[in-house]
Amino acid sequence: EDKVVQSPLSLVVHEGDTVTLNCSYEVTNFRSLLWYKQEKKAPTFLFMLTSSGIEKKSGRLSSILDKKELFSILNITATQTGDSAIYLCAVLNTGTASKLTFGTGTRLQVTL
Amino acid sequence: GAVVSQHPSWVICKSGTSVKIECRSLDFQATTMFWYRQFPKQSLMLMATSNEGSKATYEQGVEKDKFLINHASLTLSTLTVTSAHPEDSSFYICSATDVWTSGSFDEQYFGPGTRLTVT
Repeated sequence: EDKVVQSPLSLVVHEGDTVTLNCSYEVTNFRSLLWYKQEKKAPTFLFMLTSSGIEKKSGRLSSILDKKELFSILNITATQTGDSAIYLCAVLNTGTASKLTFGTGTRLQVTL
Repeated sequence: GAVVSQHPSWVICKSGTSVKIECRSLDFQATTMFWYRQFPKQSLMLMATSNEGSKATYEQGVEKDKFLINHASLTLSTLTVTSAHPEDSSFYICSATDVWTSGSFDEQYFGPGTRLTVT
């Protein structure tokens, strides 16, 4: 059974701090790993990572994948209160249905 | 582009009744739609994969007779929760993949979700 585990489960930081969120996985037929941000409703797409060692960056967010050690990290620098959300990691398999297996999520709260 | 809508956004029903949730791709055609359930403070759990014109594929542990899925067109899938009970109360989210990207990364576009409360 495919498994995706995220850590920490929750995190409280002060505005301006840098945070690192972790995602490890055990899946068969790995295709890609995706990061999502979920506020009050549906998840919004952040990154898709397919190759090891290539950093994806968008503003203050960046992410990288290690396919040998089967994990990914999501970094957020200079955090803002608007970054408060649940961050979900998901793994996409190679099946025709493009099935996503989600991790447990990390709940990030950024305080003033 | 790539907008997915769900209706209703929230619903309250009495135990024993059935509830239908609609998922629509508004500006693209979706060969495949997915239904997820999310309990409070938990992650999204895939319930079933729905392909247009064929039977849905349910994940292990999901009762297909209780959660009826119909994907009659390339823009609409419905989930009916039959004989709902309080333990079915949850946030139900659908997603859809664009038929034109089939074969490459089939990005899933998520709907806004439907919050179901069974009393």
